[in-house]
Amino acid sequence: GAVVSQHPSWVICKSGTSVKIECRSLDFQATTMFWYRQFPKQSLMLMATSNEGSKATYEQGVEKDKFLINHASLTLSTLTVTSAHPEDSSFYICSAGLGTGRNQPQHFGDGTRLSIL
Amino acid sequence: EDQVTQSPEALRLQEGESSSLNCSYTVSGLRGLFWYRQDPGKGPEFLFTLYSAGEEKEKERLKATLTKKESFLHITAPKPEDSATYLCAVPGQSYNTDKLIFGTGTRLQVFP
Repeated sequence: GAVVSQHPSWVICKSGTSVKIECRSLDFQATTMFWYRQFPKQSLMLMATSNEGSKATYEQGVEKDKFLINHASLTLSTLTVTSAHPEDSSFYICSAGLGTGRNQPQHFGDGTRLSIL
Repeated sequence: EDQVTQSPEALRLQEGESSSLNCSYTVSGLRGLFWYRQDPGKGPEFLFTLYSAGEEKEKERLKATLTKKESFLHITAPKPEDSATYLCAVPGQSYNTDKLIFGTGTRLQVFP
């Protein structure tokens, strides 16, 4: 149980392109999903908290207009990197909690490696 | 300020050589501590949840323990397939959020 699917797993695109990443909870409903960014040999950096049916909460320093988050259903959240540039190249990972109460572990997707040329 | 510190940063073991990884935390009112395993190019895989001091959890060659200040991940007779980065995390202090605070991880390499 608690499977989170992330798609695509790898994207290579030209500078200026917008890229959408999907995060799905396959066997449970997730009112809250999280988006992280991870640089090589570093830990996960939380970018934003995605709440179903409402606006996402962004961490300090994360550009809301650059990283658009939509959480339209209890099983799907999307992250769109708008007008991507080489500095946006990174490993993006989503997660979801079971939502049965606070203090529950998050379950992670397998990540999306984004490479901007 | 909530903080999670992991040590060592990297650990190289011979197959069968048991050892422990440390996760120290400073949070007021611990609401759980989570251990994850992350393989290169993959998302973290959930291993254990610990909620109170003295609690222990086991899974195959791994055992996680918790005190009031730190948690240990004991690896008994490790195999090369145990090689990965091990992360620990705690919920943030604010009770109106499910945010996790992660340590920087321990990169474990087990050689045959």
